[in-house]
Amino acid sequence: DTEVTQTPKHLVMGMTNKKSLKCEQHMGHRAMYWYKQKAKKPPELMFVYSYEKLSINESVPSRFSPECPNSSLLNLHLHALQPEDSALYLCASSQEVTRDGRNTIYFGEGSWLTVV
Amino acid sequence: AQSVTQLGSHVSVSEGALVLLRCNYSSSVPPYLFWYVQYPNQGLQLLLKYTSAATLVKGINGFEAEFKKSETSFHLTKPSAHMSDAAEYFCAVSGGGGNKLTFGTGTQLKVEL
Repeated sequence: DTEVTQTPKHLVMGMTNKKSLKCEQHMGHRAMYWYKQKAKKPPELMFVYSYEKLSINESVPSRFSPECPNSSLLNLHLHALQPEDSALYLCASSQEVTRDGRNTIYFGEGSWLTVV
Repeated sequence: AQSVTQLGSHVSVSEGALVLLRCNYSSSVPPYLFWYVQYPNQGLQLLLKYTSAATLVKGINGFEAEFKKSETSFHLTKPSAHMSDAAEYFCAVSGGGGNKLTFGTGTQLKVEL
């Protein structure tokens, strides 16, 4: 069982709605990530938080707004999304961010988002 | 820059047969290499990780992978396929800053009776 938990598992939202995806990890990790995965494609990195500070934003549109309230929690706030944003959103964590990438990244089960 | 190439987007084997999923990497620094599995409608689960401690890496569910620097390969194998192995498998490389995982395009494994 994964130790990264995501809620909700499924979300349907209209293009004018505001919603949030939530993620929690209990492994004492200090790095957390959001990935987006379209059908039949590999995950794509969106954001990286290191010690609760945003360290990487992969040029993600501002309609996606991440938040890291504390070292265990990671949110993704969604507003004015487009149908093409429909995808599986994966949260992940690792012990910390290192330059050589040695730390394993552990993924949650994901949140399926459908924008109508 | 780092990259991985997975040869074969779809692999089909008979139950009990050898599983071989191919991954070749490109990296300007010593790489950390991973294999992840994704079952239908689920997240990614770590199968195994190469850290340079040993070239033959054993993972969960009977899978293993061998790191061959001369061939820049990290192929995943399992001696005997089981129906429950049917899933998408991703090879990934990490390093070069920021714990950024670079994934291959994935291989869909089908196991037939």
